[in-house]
Amino acid sequence: EPEVTQTPSHQVTQMGQEVILRCVPISNHLYFYWYRQILGQKVEFLVSFYNNEISEKSEIFDDQFSVERPDGSNFTLKIRSTKLEDSAMYFCASFRTGEGTDTQYFGPGTRLTVL
Amino acid sequence: AQSVTQLDSQVPVFEEAPVELRCNYSSSVSVYLFWYVQYPNQGLQLLLKYLSGSTLVESINGFEAEFNKSQTSFHLRKPSVHISDTAEYFCAVSAFSGGYNKLIFGAGTRLAVHP
Repeated sequence: EPEVTQTPSHQVTQMGQEVILRCVPISNHLYFYWYRQILGQKVEFLVSFYNNEISEKSEIFDDQFSVERPDGSNFTLKIRSTKLEDSAMYFCASFRTGEGTDTQYFGPGTRLTVL
Repeated sequence: AQSVTQLDSQVPVFEEAPVELRCNYSSSVSVYLFWYVQYPNQGLQLLLKYLSGSTLVESINGFEAEFNKSQTSFHLRKPSVHISDTAEYFCAVSAFSGGYNKLIFGAGTRLAVHP
């Protein structure tokens, strides 16, 4: 069964450094998402991406964040200058509307630790 | 805007006992409803979903949830739990918004099944 993959599984970085989190969505999906989960808290929506542009973003997704689909398979989340409060689990999800699916499939997540 | 309330942060239960995890939502538009499960140190897995049709939906591992529009609820139930059901359960809603379908999650309910 196709699945969403994410790399790395765990990223440790120093405050102020740039990080890029990578995701490979399911191949025939057209909508892509990033969510994050701070330890012990709820999963929060960050951004959705469709047709090579951001379709919606949350208040969390400020100028320090960016997303990109650099080729036909990868979907990346970049944090330009990490802060301590960016420490969280980041989940990528993909989605294909129609055919009664309407279900987002999540990757296993990348745990980001900012020191 | 949508919101989700999971009324219980933790639910301890003995093996083979029944369980109900409560979820209420708020929305001014029609929504799709989901339950996701997160096992320790893993990502989010779809457990079941309500898109339309029968208000009672079932998963392959014995969970069921009933959409109650008048009560704006989507409670998750299982008649007899197993140790392996120990996990965090998240209720989520999405409203069709041009196809982007971001998910809004509740805070989660930690189900702890004891022998």
